[in-house]
Amino acid sequence: SQQGEEDPQALSIQEGENATMNCSYKTSINNLQWYRQNSGRGLVHLILIRSNEREKHSGRLRVTLDTSKKSSSLLITASRAADTASYFCAPLGSARQLTFGSGTQLTVLP
Amino acid sequence: DVKVTQSSRYLVKRTGEKVFLECVQDMDHENMFWYRQDPGLGLRLIYFSYDVKMKEKGDIPEGYSVSREKKERFSLILESASTNQTSMYLCASSFQTRVSGELFFGEGSRLTVL
Repeated sequence: SQQGEEDPQALSIQEGENATMNCSYKTSINNLQWYRQNSGRGLVHLILIRSNEREKHSGRLRVTLDTSKKSSSLLITASRAADTASYFCAPLGSARQLTFGSGTQLTVLP
Repeated sequence: DVKVTQSSRYLVKRTGEKVFLECVQDMDHENMFWYRQDPGLGLRLIYFSYDVKMKEKGDIPEGYSVSREKKERFSLILESASTNQTSMYLCASSFQTRVSGELFFGEGSRLTVL
């Protein structure tokens, strides 16, 4: 199973700013998913983008996918303190199980 | 509301003890997974199961076993706990028939082995 690598490892921004996180992966995928984890809690699914899609929106979230570069980005617009969490990407290839990297730790300062 | 429930949020055990971590889901999901999460290492897959009574090894199965006697329940067993198994353990489930593979996670079980 393949694993996504998130970048940067940590990101600190002011409330109201946009936050961008990147993900790179190695092999072909069926879809790529983003998850969020609040400190000490389980992961929560945020958004899924299929391999034939280039961009997807959900509320303040915008995900892009570039399969030629094997990369994805997650943009959170107008960040709030409540967005403080770790964010993980999970590329899904031929295997049915997802694997996760170390995530991006986002801190939104009030 | 969909739910994955892990039996214990916090456990403290001694080296050599047998430890059971229980996970129950109420969504009739076929697939269930156990991960461990450690700082700097991300989530690593221990074992998973696509059906009752079946199991497959993940990336780090050594020192662990699993049991899936009923569809809704997936147990992780540490036969003889060691200090390097101190970690956060996360259970997850998903539909088998959905290509998406979207996972639903429990709240985690933080295990400390002394």
